[in-house]
Amino acid sequence: AQSVTQPDIHITVSEGASLELRCNYSYGATPYLFWYVQSPGQGLQLLLKYFSGDTLVQGIKGFEAEFKRSQSSFNLRKPSVHWSDAAEYFCAVVPNTGNQFYFGTGTSLTVIP
Amino acid sequence: DAGVIQSPRHEVTEMGQEVTLRCKPISGHDYLFWYRQTMMRGLELLIYFNNNVPIDDSGMPEDRFSAKMPNASFSTLKIQPSEPRDSAVYFCASSSGDTQYFGPGTRLTVL
Repeated sequence: AQSVTQPDIHITVSEGASLELRCNYSYGATPYLFWYVQSPGQGLQLLLKYFSGDTLVQGIKGFEAEFKRSQSSFNLRKPSVHWSDAAEYFCAVVPNTGNQFYFGTGTSLTVIP
Repeated sequence: DAGVIQSPRHEVTEMGQEVTLRCKPISGHDYLFWYRQTMMRGLELLIYFNNNVPIDDSGMPEDRFSAKMPNASFSTLKIQPSEPRDSAVYFCASSSGDTQYFGPGTRLTVL
């Protein structure tokens, strides 16, 4: 079955520390891949996306993500976290044969001073 | 562009009442999606439209839920009658094919 997995329900990091949020998918072919962020009480905002080409993609707010075909992963990273990065992060996948988004269950990020 | 617009932002109603949520997609987008978000179930796709035509409504929980898109700039999600378990945040998103852009959501509370 097709699925998107975010193994970490909740992560806590110190401000200034590096961050990596994990995302794995299971599809037959390389899908389109997305990361969204949701601040409390807000809608989902697109951070970055990967369709093809360079496997390291840059997004807004200093985030980047790397697509690794061999691991079926699309992990989100940030070298130095800011307190304002505290939010819920969703990985999403669109099979390249369709239009429907499949979202992971989300990772809640807490940033401590 | 103003982005995806949803109204109302908050709705509190009593069980049994009809609720109508509204969405205005980004101009030029030909896909529109309705999602529901709860703590227990996360983000669920309810239904999506392409060129105003419903394509997949398999996520609509039951017959109490209905969605329409009478034109390219407006969609509604209706719940009749509403129940407490319908309490959630309902998001609308629009797309021109590859990336979805979300509205701010409607927080629905059914007492």
